[in-house]
Amino acid sequence: ETGVTQTPRHLVMGMTNKKSLKCEQHLGHNAMYWYKQSAKKPLELMFVYNFKEQTENNSVPSRFSPECPNSSHLFLHLHTLQPEDSALYLCASSQGSDSDTQYFGPGTRLTVL
Amino acid sequence: AQTVTQSQPEMSVQEAETVTLSCTYDTSESDYYLFWYKQPPSRQMILVIRQEAYKQQNATENRFSVNFQKAAKSFSLKISDSQLGDAAMYFCAYSPYNQGGKLIFGQGTELSVKP
Repeated sequence: ETGVTQTPRHLVMGMTNKKSLKCEQHLGHNAMYWYKQSAKKPLELMFVYNFKEQTENNSVPSRFSPECPNSSHLFLHLHTLQPEDSALYLCASSQGSDSDTQYFGPGTRLTVL
Repeated sequence: AQTVTQSQPEMSVQEAETVTLSCTYDTSESDYYLFWYKQPPSRQMILVIRQEAYKQQNATENRFSVNFQKAAKSFSLKISDSQLGDAAMYFCAYSPYNQGGKLIFGQGTELSVKP
């Protein structure tokens, strides 16, 4: 595997379900990011992790819970989501967290019923 | 507030022709970086080109070049010799220096390439 991978690629869940999105980077980077891409809206930064420490939480609701066990893996735990949370969730990584080029994964298309 | 505006929701270009995508941004910072990303239908966001604000020389990457006007806060992307594979959503993004890797994206421009 090379670059940034995300699983699953598609996810359908009910509002009461608990699920997790996984991101893995194979680039030796130290910073990882979660973005939300909704239809007709710009990408929104959700979370930033630098050397496993969360450095940015962009006012994201608590029903989204990130986890970064090491510099290569990033999770987004989901619980009691709303239909408006349906979107494409993109993971990215960069060498450092300060304006270094970010490399994106293919995304997880999430649908909340 | 730091914002990025792409005023062209859709653009179209004939194969082998040249097209320019517009981007303006608003910031009070003097040090920052600008990016153009491409998102084809496969949804994989791919870096096209990057520009450091302190560099006066416009960045170039093969058929892709930018026109960076710092005073006007303008950062347009020129695609020369357009190819069918260039069809995608193009996003302009701004990253302020020393703010933890924050990337602020524009709304995107959907480019179609006609054979």
